Amino acid sequence: QSALTQPRSVSGSPGQSVTISCTGTSSDVGGYNYVSWYQQHPGKAPKLMIYDVSKRPSGVPDRFSGSKSGNTASLTISGLQAEDEADYYCCSYAGSYTFPYVFGTGTKVTVL
Amino acid sequence: EVQLVESGGGLVQPGRSLRLSCTASGFTFGDYAMSWVRQAPGKGLEWVGFIRSKAYGGTTEYAASVKGRFTISRDDSKSIAYLQMNSLKTEDTAVYYCTRDLGSAMVDYWGQGTLVTVSS
Repeated sequence: QSALTQPRSVSGSPGQSVTISCTGTSSDVGGYNYVSWYQQHPGKAPKLMIYDVSKRPSGVPDRFSGSKSGNTASLTISGLQAEDEADYYCCSYAGSYTFPYVFGTGTKVTVL
Repeated sequence: EVQLVESGGGLVQPGRSLRLSCTASGFTFGDYAMSWVRQAPGKGLEWVGFIRSKAYGGTTEYAASVKGRFTISRDDSKSIAYLQMNSLKTEDTAVYYCTRDLGSAMVDYWGQGTLVTVSS
């Protein structure tokens, strides 16, 4: 079970939009609508930002949105703000015949 | 307020054992699955394993990297989850997070993490 593939880094200016991709296979991302995204600031525990591909937990700004097409899920941050600078990890359910959860490799978002 | 507090981390020699504890509060512990997620220094997240609630059999699942060496258990009367780590390797060095697991790759609460360093 290999980690999902994310770009190492993305960047944008305040107010711009950035999109982070998360590529897996038909056995994980493509096979289920169970993709979540986590934000992690340095030295802090991760925080759930998106679940079930596109749902936002209470308290997460609507600037954060998720989607999926085929074997690739995406997280879009619209109206980028300084506090969005962090590491982001996707995670997918991978079925019951193997360990069911796999994380992405992680993406550093830099606000220019 | 939901709180998860890990304890038990520290420095341990390769081949030795260590047990981590996760003390939960602010929710009905027995109703939830609990997961352990780790992060090696400067690296990404790795889901170590989880234990289902008693309603779902209280069974466990483990990542291939720790299967046969790590054991997750729970004491619902004390609201504590445990991670027993045996035959530790240097590559097990990481911050270990306790999380509340809602299933479907979703964990909604994380502890602050506890550092385990495996070194001679």
